[in-house]
Amino acid sequence: DVKVTQSSRYLVKRTGEKVFLECVQDMDHENMFWYRQDPGLGLRLIYFSYDVKMKEKGDIPEGYSVSREKKERFSLILESASTNQTSMYLCASSEVRGETEAFFGQGTRLTVV
Amino acid sequence: KNQVEQSPQSLIILEGKNCTLQCNYTVSPFSNLRWYKQDTGRGPVSLTIMTFSENTKSNGRYTATLDADTKQSSLHITASQLSDSASYICVVSEYFGNEKLTFGTGTRLTIIP
Repeated sequence: DVKVTQSSRYLVKRTGEKVFLECVQDMDHENMFWYRQDPGLGLRLIYFSYDVKMKEKGDIPEGYSVSREKKERFSLILESASTNQTSMYLCASSEVRGETEAFFGQGTRLTVV
Repeated sequence: KNQVEQSPQSLIILEGKNCTLQCNYTVSPFSNLRWYKQDTGRGPVSLTIMTFSENTKSNGRYTATLDADTKQSSLHITASQLSDSASYICVVSEYFGNEKLTFGTGTRLTIIP
């Protein structure tokens, strides 16, 4: 059974804190993605990675960074959390190319106060 | 700008009834179209994926159609069940060396007994 696991379901952090969101997949997928999901806006791509130590900016990378030191793990970092980063964060992974499914984690609901 | 628009935004139907959700897109070049189901507070789960050459695909009580000429897709749910209550997200992929996904904002479906 394929699995993408996010380290936390719910997080509450203070403004200015450094926040780490962790994602692990057990499918040996090359591609990994971080999205945020807000009401009325759908899923928006923050960063993605097609290989270890490789990262590319998505549509809304400002205020975020990522790390991919191992193939199975992709971390999203909020360097200095702000209230406008309160959102649902979703990690996904997929194979390299073709009509392959993207598998999503269960999501992390982050609240910045 | 590539866009995916879904309608209706929300829908309420009685258990046992059928319904159809719509998706229009402007994504180009087109690679494939996917429908995801997202339960409240969870990550999306894939229902179907269709390429340019496919115009219908079924997954149990879910049937997706694709008209690549008019850039429209629909998801038909037959004999709805309470567990079908969820958001249904249309996702269109463009291929540019690696896949880029554009997400619709989803249709919120509520099944009432």
